[in-house]
Amino acid sequence: DAGVTQSPTHLIKTRGQQVTLRCSPKSGHDTVSWYQQALGQGPQFIFQYYEEEERQRGNFPDRFSGHQFPNYSSELNVNALLLGDSALYLCASSPTRDRGYEQYFGPGTRLTVT
Amino acid sequence: GDSVTQMEGPVTLSEEAFLTINCTYTATGYPSLFWYVQYPGEGLQLLLKATKADDKGSNKGFEATYRKETTSFHLEKGSVQVSDSAVYFCALSDWGNQAGTALIFGKGTTLSVSS
Repeated sequence: DAGVTQSPTHLIKTRGQQVTLRCSPKSGHDTVSWYQQALGQGPQFIFQYYEEEERQRGNFPDRFSGHQFPNYSSELNVNALLLGDSALYLCASSPTRDRGYEQYFGPGTRLTVT
Repeated sequence: GDSVTQMEGPVTLSEEAFLTINCTYTATGYPSLFWYVQYPGEGLQLLLKATKADDKGSNKGFEATYRKETTSFHLEKGSVQVSDSAVYFCALSDWGNQAGTALIFGKGTTLSVSS
């Protein structure tokens, strides 16, 4: 049973560019969440997708957008990259029927903005 | 808004020592509480969870009890091993008040165990 997978593993971009990160959820999971983890900090919630709609959003600017596909996979897009966007981006999936809402995390994509 | 506060590290212990990492929370609804662990170079893994007051989560010798009266969820282990060296995150999901189930994390506590 494959867990949560993310691609790419590492990415280097220049300020002002746009980036797309991808995530495939764990089998049987239909809810996908994205988090940003700056170095030495805890993950910060960006947004969550369910049934191809954004269900909840954290305190991130509109430069951060996402999408969920019918097979439950998801993309995170960041426009007009800033140096401060350099971080580890984590994708997590969960089964909505789980009352405890345990989320399973992928290994992350390390984004470096120069 | 909801928040999690955990003790700052690093925490440095000798093997077989007792471990406590404090975690307190603020929430307006009915949160579920979690401890996640991040080993060097790896992603986040769920260590244990508790979904209602007085529940005790346990796994791999670690325990934490959901204390609503003190809004706390302290992580404990009776005898740590070198392999427990990692960053530990306390988190909550206040699912009762939200359309979604976002996790809110503390800043993390680095544990270093020496032999």
